[in-house]
Amino acid sequence: SQKIEQNSEALNIQEGKTATLTCNYTNYSPAYLQWYRQDPGRGPVFLLLIRENEKEKRKERLKVTFDTTLKQSLFHITASQPADSATYLCALDMTAGNNRKLIWGLGTSLAVNP
Amino acid sequence: DVKVTQSSRYLVKRTGEKVFLECVQDMDHENMFWYRQDPGLGLRLIYFSYDVKMKEKGDIPEGYSVSREKKERFSLILESASTNQTSMYLCASSPRRQPQHFGDGTRLSIL
Repeated sequence: SQKIEQNSEALNIQEGKTATLTCNYTNYSPAYLQWYRQDPGRGPVFLLLIRENEKEKRKERLKVTFDTTLKQSLFHITASQPADSATYLCALDMTAGNNRKLIWGLGTSLAVNP
Repeated sequence: DVKVTQSSRYLVKRTGEKVFLECVQDMDHENMFWYRQDPGLGLRLIYFSYDVKMKEKGDIPEGYSVSREKKERFSLILESASTNQTSMYLCASSPRRQPQHFGDGTRLSIL
């Protein structure tokens, strides 16, 4: 069955640096891969979606890459700020017909220190 | 902005009670989902619905049922609550094949 791995250890970086988070998966590539942010005690919030035929997607300070050969997505936050501190989840969209299915990683906790 | 509203942020119930968790979305989305989230286990799908009165089992449906009588409302029912159902419950909605919008969750404790 499909599995996802995200960095299990928390990531601590200095304000202004680039944070890079990893999402690796096994087996076959999904049609879409999504990244979400989750703050403590809140629901996840959608950030970016990348399709299997796209190599890179950007939104403001965020960048996502998708390498189907390596079976990996990287999520970058440039010029990081303390407000970026949160847990970041990746999700593989394995939807087929009406069978709506996202497979979720456990998330990586990011702390940006001032 | 899409709003997904869950009826309670915190709920405490007793073992054996029937528990109802309500979720309402205001954007006419076809799909609605119920998840539970536990430390070390991540988000696990309990049930989802892709249309009114339609429901599909997710990965962990045992001990739960759902109801979707209207498009905007998706209810999760714990038929006879047990302590292992203590968890954070998250509802989400989405248009077809689009990212999901989540509510802020209900932290449910079963004593």
